[in-house]
Amino acid sequence: DGGITQSPKYLFRKEGQNVTLSCEQNLNHDAMYWYRQDPGQGLRLIYYSQIVNDFQKGDIAEGYSVSREKKESFPLTVTSAQKNPTAFYLCASSMRMGRLHNEQFFGPGTRLTVL
Amino acid sequence: AQSVSQHNHHVILSEAASLELGCNYSYGGTVNLFWYVQYPGQHLQLLLKYFSGDPLVKGIKGFEAEFIKSKFSFNLRKPSVQWSDTAEYFCAASYSGAGSYQLTFGKGTKLSVIP
Repeated sequence: DGGITQSPKYLFRKEGQNVTLSCEQNLNHDAMYWYRQDPGQGLRLIYYSQIVNDFQKGDIAEGYSVSREKKESFPLTVTSAQKNPTAFYLCASSMRMGRLHNEQFFGPGTRLTVL
Repeated sequence: AQSVSQHNHHVILSEAASLELGCNYSYGGTVNLFWYVQYPGQHLQLLLKYFSGDPLVKGIKGFEAEFIKSKFSFNLRKPSVQWSDTAEYFCAASYSGAGSYQLTFGKGTKLSVIP
């Protein structure tokens, strides 16, 4: 069954701690993305990666970091530098980025709460 | 920066009413347009997309959207809504800026359908 998995579904963390959110896809897609969703704000792009070992900052990258060591995996670390980390985080992938084939498929999301 | 605007934050309709959700984008060049839907507790999923060709696009579950280039609009329509259409709807656009074609999302419109 092809798709995108994110874990965990719910995550709680204390202030000052880093936390890593997992995203795995078995769609053989080249491009992967991380978004943050807040009520009334839509989805905002944090980071994206067009190919293994390469990634680019999105609109709100401050306080986040990523890696892309394998094609199927794109973990997101929310660092203690992120001032307002409580949010719903969505991972997505697309065949590639570009004029065509950039339809994105989304995972189920991780809800992060900072206590 | 490019932007996508959705006119309504929350729309409430009775079953069988007609639906039109507004979406405007700001980029004047080549653009791909999407409508995504997020049902309660479910993944964000694609309703329909426009890349080129016929400006009237038909999607899943009886939804359609019309691309009007002169108005920079891509409104979503459905002639008769059902209770099961209750969800949040997101318009998104991808542009050729910086060669990346990353998606820019609107802030979403929450649709509540009353039985």
